[in-house]
Amino acid sequence: LAKTTQPISMDSYEGQEVNITCSHNNIATNDYITWYQQFPSQGPRFIIQGYKTKVTNEVASLFIPADRKSSTLSLPRVSLSDTAVYYCLVGPMDTGRRALTFGSGTRLQVQP
Amino acid sequence: SAVISQKPSRDICQRGTSLTIQCQVDSQVTMMFWYRQQPGQSLTLIATANQGSEATYESGFVIDKFPISRPNLTFSTLTVSNMSPEDSSIYLCSVLGLASYNEQFFGPGTRLTVL
Repeated sequence: LAKTTQPISMDSYEGQEVNITCSHNNIATNDYITWYQQFPSQGPRFIIQGYKTKVTNEVASLFIPADRKSSTLSLPRVSLSDTAVYYCLVGPMDTGRRALTFGSGTRLQVQP
Repeated sequence: SAVISQKPSRDICQRGTSLTIQCQVDSQVTMMFWYRQQPGQSLTLIATANQGSEATYESGFVIDKFPISRPNLTFSTLTVSNMSPEDSSIYLCSVLGLASYNEQFFGPGTRLTVL
């Protein structure tokens, strides 16, 4: 599995856009990029997944450049409730059905 | 999606005792996973539990310390045996979604403190 690197922590204020970048230089051709969010005292939950270019859903946008060696999770107009740890994961979408491997994640703190 | 519940939600235990954590899923799933999350750390996979077969443990985790049961397709237990303060962690149960490899659903976790 490709190793990922992301900032340990980030601070923001309510209403701002937050961009969290993840580096994955060794990403393989069949790897997808997935982001999970973990609130305090809860298990992680799936946010968004993409392969290339841009993906958007009701929660976030995911930007992936052409070389796919990095990706950026964008959270528009964050609120206090977006305070959480955000994990970037890279792995194949195959039928092997293996468990996810989590890196260190980025701890986002949103201030009022 | 899958809804996962865990019991207990938290416990405080004495050194040398054992605790069994239960995981219940609202749908039948083939594969279930157990993770550990130490304070302020990321998640570490302990083992994969498939119904009808022995659990598969990751490096650094052994069956004698973390015995797992998987009696049916909706239920699993993880026992933390002969506990020490180093076992103080959050233990999470997880299952794969049906749609894709990369979507996993997690239980709320069991917060264990060993004195």
